[in-house]
Amino acid sequence: EAQVTQNPRYLITVTGKKLTVTCSQNMNHEYMSWYRQDPGLGLRQIYYSMNVEVTDKGDVPEGYKVSRKEKRNFPLILESPSPNQTSLYFCASSRDRWGRETQYFGPGTRLLVL
Amino acid sequence: KQEVTQIPAALSVPEGENLVLNCSFTDSAIYNLQWFRQDPGKGLTSLLLIQSSQREQTSGRLNASLDKSSGRSTLYIAASQPGDSATYLCAVPHSGTYKYIFGTGTRLKVLA
Repeated sequence: EAQVTQNPRYLITVTGKKLTVTCSQNMNHEYMSWYRQDPGLGLRQIYYSMNVEVTDKGDVPEGYKVSRKEKRNFPLILESPSPNQTSLYFCASSRDRWGRETQYFGPGTRLLVL
Repeated sequence: KQEVTQIPAALSVPEGENLVLNCSFTDSAIYNLQWFRQDPGKGLTSLLLIQSSQREQTSGRLNASLDKSSGRSTLYIAASQPGDSATYLCAVPHSGTYKYIFGTGTRLKVLA
């Protein structure tokens, strides 16, 4: 089944404790992206990647890192999480390297930073 | 800077009604526009993608139109059903970049 998977689905952590949220797609898609969703602010793009080793900032990249060492994986790294990073995070992928085709979303990761 | 607005923020209708959801964007130089559906606590599901050269796209009871010159798109849902209850979001690629800008969504409730 074609899908985007994220792990973990739920995470509670404390300020400053490094964490990684994994994202994987099995559709051989070029474009992958991370979003965060907050009430009243909607979905905002954190980082995106057009191919292996090619990443760029979205609108809200501060406090996040990403890497794209393999085509199928695009982990999101929070080196020193803070409470304002409490949010619902989504990973997405698209066949076209510029992200201009249909985006497929993962189920989301709900993060609480205490 | 591209801004995407969706009005209304929430909508409640009786079952069977035809309804229209609106999406406005400020920069008309877009590659395409996508409509998504999000169920509570779930991820987003793509409904329709309209290329910049197209005027509309249809899928079942859904019809999306695009008017680039006026910066507007509408999602028409025919004969609404309780199962259509969800939040509907539109998104456009940011012109000149590969970033995506989402609207804040319209929360739809269809009453049985």
